[in-house]
Amino acid sequence: SQQGEEDPQALSIQEGENATMNCSYKTSINNLQWYRQNSGRGLVHLILIRSNEREKHSGRLRVTLDTSKKSSSLLITASRAADTASYFCATQINYGQNFVFGPGTRLSVLP
Amino acid sequence: SAVISQKPSRDICQRGTSLTIQCQVDSQVTMMFWYRQQPGQSLTLIATANQGSEATYESGFVIDKFPISRPNLTFSTLTVSNMSPEDSSIYLCSVEGRDSLAKNIQYFGAGTRLSVL
Repeated sequence: SQQGEEDPQALSIQEGENATMNCSYKTSINNLQWYRQNSGRGLVHLILIRSNEREKHSGRLRVTLDTSKKSSSLLITASRAADTASYFCATQINYGQNFVFGPGTRLSVLP
Repeated sequence: SAVISQKPSRDICQRGTSLTIQCQVDSQVTMMFWYRQQPGQSLTLIATANQGSEATYESGFVIDKFPISRPNLTFSTLTVSNMSPEDSSIYLCSVEGRDSLAKNIQYFGAGTRLSVL
């Protein structure tokens, strides 16, 4: 069964606004990652957060992890039209084991 | 990071035929992963391919339908056999990073977009 659930399923914002996407999961994890997929192509890794971390930043990306609520959020600040893509969270229960992907959020950033 | 070349990038096939998708990595890796992404959906793991052993298939996927080869540490193929329109999807291969900075990160090929008529 799928580990992660994401909301919203789709998000449409204006350029310059912030975009927040959420991911929930069901079991304990070793790490959670966010990936971006442009227009049906391969996925690109954005950021990884481990179970003992609460927040990580990378450029305009901010990820939080709340293991007590089994949830994570991805914030993209000052969005650009080029951020238009689908965003997926993926969880890994233990190192070396499979990744389980959430259903994804389709983000549209309007110029 | 790892650079993954996947081909073909897309194909349109007739019902009942088979298609073999190739995945080439620019470095040696122990495990390679094959995913299916149905239209508008997330990724579902088909199988994990280790060099020198049989692939490990996830629930709902069988070797007769999705035979996998892994002849060496840089190459793998996935065959979609006896295709039906329900097999129309994007098929993606991936590998896990090896060095300490990339450990736990998966690197993906660009995918193969398959349409079955």
